[in-house]
Amino acid sequence: DAKTTQPPSMDCAEGRAANLPCNHSTISGNEYVYWYRQIHSQGPQYIIHGLKNNETNEMASLIITEDRKSSTLILPHATLRDTAVYYCIVSPGANSKLTFGKGITLSVRP
Amino acid sequence: NAGVTQTPKFQVLKTGQSMTLQCAQDMNHNSMYWYRQDPGMGLRLIYYSASEGTTDKGEVPNGYNVSRLNKREFSLRLESAAPSQTSVYFCASSEALGPFQRETQYFGPGTRLLVL
Repeated sequence: DAKTTQPPSMDCAEGRAANLPCNHSTISGNEYVYWYRQIHSQGPQYIIHGLKNNETNEMASLIITEDRKSSTLILPHATLRDTAVYYCIVSPGANSKLTFGKGITLSVRP
Repeated sequence: NAGVTQTPKFQVLKTGQSMTLQCAQDMNHNSMYWYRQDPGMGLRLIYYSASEGTTDKGEVPNGYNVSRLNKREFSLRLESAAPSQTSVYFCASSEALGPFQRETQYFGPGTRLLVL
């Protein structure tokens, strides 16, 4: 599985967009980009995934560069409840293992 | 629809004791997983089960055994607990539509285990 690189932490103001970057320069053509988050002491929660195209759902948007070597998770209007560790993962999909790194800690300030 | 449930929520063991962590899902998912998470670390896969009747080792299987009792239940057993197994254990399940198909894993609330 391809490895990902994320900054250890970032913060943003409540109500502003949070843009979380991820590098995955060794991603293979059949690997998806997944984002999960883990709010303190809880189990991880799926946010969004993509293969080639940009994706949007009720929680976030995922922007994948044309060469697929990096991506950005966008939380359009961050709230205090979005404070969490966010994991960027690449995986071929079902029956493959999701490898969680250390993720990026997002702190949303009032 | 409870999703993924885990029991117990907390447990304290003495070194050498055994115990079984229970996990159940009500989403009719094929695949189930056990992870551990140590302070400041990401999740590490212990074992997984791609379908009823099959299990495979993950990244850190030593000291653990698993049983896929039926499609709903996947248990993790510590035969002789060690302090190094102090951790938070998460169970997850996924529909696993097939190889190279997208897969969303749904996680339980975790079991916090302390081995003295």
